[in-house]
Formats: sequence, structure tokens, C-alpha cells
Amino acid sequence: QKEVEQNSGPLSVPEGAIASLNCTYSDRGSQSFFWYRQYSGKSPELIMFIYSNGDKEDGRFTAQLNKASQYVSLLIRDSQPSDSATYLCAQGANSKLTFGKGITLSVRP
Amino acid sequence: DTAVSQTPKYLVTQMGNDKSIKCEQNLGHDTMYWYKQDSKKFLKIMFSYNNKELIINETVPNRFSPKSPDKAHLNLHINSLELGDSAVYFCASRATGELFFGEGSRLTVL
Repeated sequence: QKEVEQNSGPLSVPEGAIASLNCTYSDRGSQSFFWYRQYSGKSPELIMFIYSNGDKEDGRFTAQLNKASQYVSLLIRDSQPSDSATYLCAQGANSKLTFGKGITLSVRP
Repeated sequence: DTAVSQTPKYLVTQMGNDKSIKCEQNLGHDTMYWYKQDSKKFLKIMFSYNNKELIINETVPNRFSPKSPDKAHLNLHINSLELGDSAVYFCASRATGELFFGEGSRLTVL
């Protein structure tokens, strides 16, 4: 069973702090990894994708991939209350995206 | 223009009834999906079609029957609804990278 594991949280950080979200996966054949954000009552929306080992930065967001250790993480710098949402990690392989159970982030003003 | 659109957004029905959800995408993608999201936010793949052909069929009860009349449409029909079918059903489409999700259809079975 190809699984994606996320610490179910919830995670609470003060405004302006760094939020660190982690995800591990079991399928070594996975080629692509995605972080989605989902606000309550809304559909998931893509924040970042990463295919290669290392870091990928986009604004306040940094995705990190370590294929040897089979983990992918998302760092959110200067967290804002508007970042409060559920974050879903997904691995992609063979036309399928498999999601973790998500972690709820709360940013305290 | 909405890229992936689903109808209806809300369904409330009794156990044992049959219901359908429709999905359309105008992104030109070849692959479409149905995902189920339970009350704990777990998003689980159900089916995938590539250019009208079924390519992914997870262990879903055969009360659920997807149909893809063309590559822009993927519908989901559910027979004999059960309480456990209550969830949000998301349609999505994909080219080679990210999934684009519809707004979801919240099904409540009473």
C-alpha cells in the first residue's frame, strides 16, 4: 500500500513565526510531490510542487525533498493568520496523486 | 470561467436512494478523477479516466459507477446510498503535473 503520512496536528504558531509541516511517503517510485492548502469549505489549491532533491522556494514558502529519507516538508516563513488552513501533502506516481491526511495549521495573531 | 465545475454543490437524500454528480473541465486535460473527502479531511482517490478510458479504480463498492462520455466530462452515479457515503466528492483534472479541483459536492445521506 503506497501511503503518505502526515503528523495530524493541529499545529499552532504565532504570527510571524516559521511553520514547519512534514510528510513521509512509502513509494520510492514517486516522482513528484505536491503541497496543497485547503481552507474550510473550499477545494484544495496547489501551493508548491517539487520533483528534485533539495529546496524549492516561492515567496514565503519553501518545499524540501529528501528522496533517500523519503520525506518532503513545507516551511512557511513569516506566518500570517491568512495561512490558517489544512495543508495536504501528496505524492504522484503513475497518473495517481495519493494524499496524506492533512495537518491543520492555526496562526495566532 | 470555472476550470473544473461540479453540480450539484449540495445533495441531501435518504438512505437507499440513487444520486448523480456531474463534472466538466474546460482545461483540455486528458485525465479526470473523483476523490472522496471524509469528515476528517482525508482525500482518497476513487476513480480516474484518461481520454474516456478507466485507468484507476480503487477499492470502491460497485454501487459507485463513473461514466465519461468524453474527455471533458466525468460523472459519478451512486446507487443505494448508505450513511457512510456522506462526504464531499471532488472532481479533478490533470495534464502531467498538478491536480485542478472542482469546488466539491457535499453529499449528506440521512
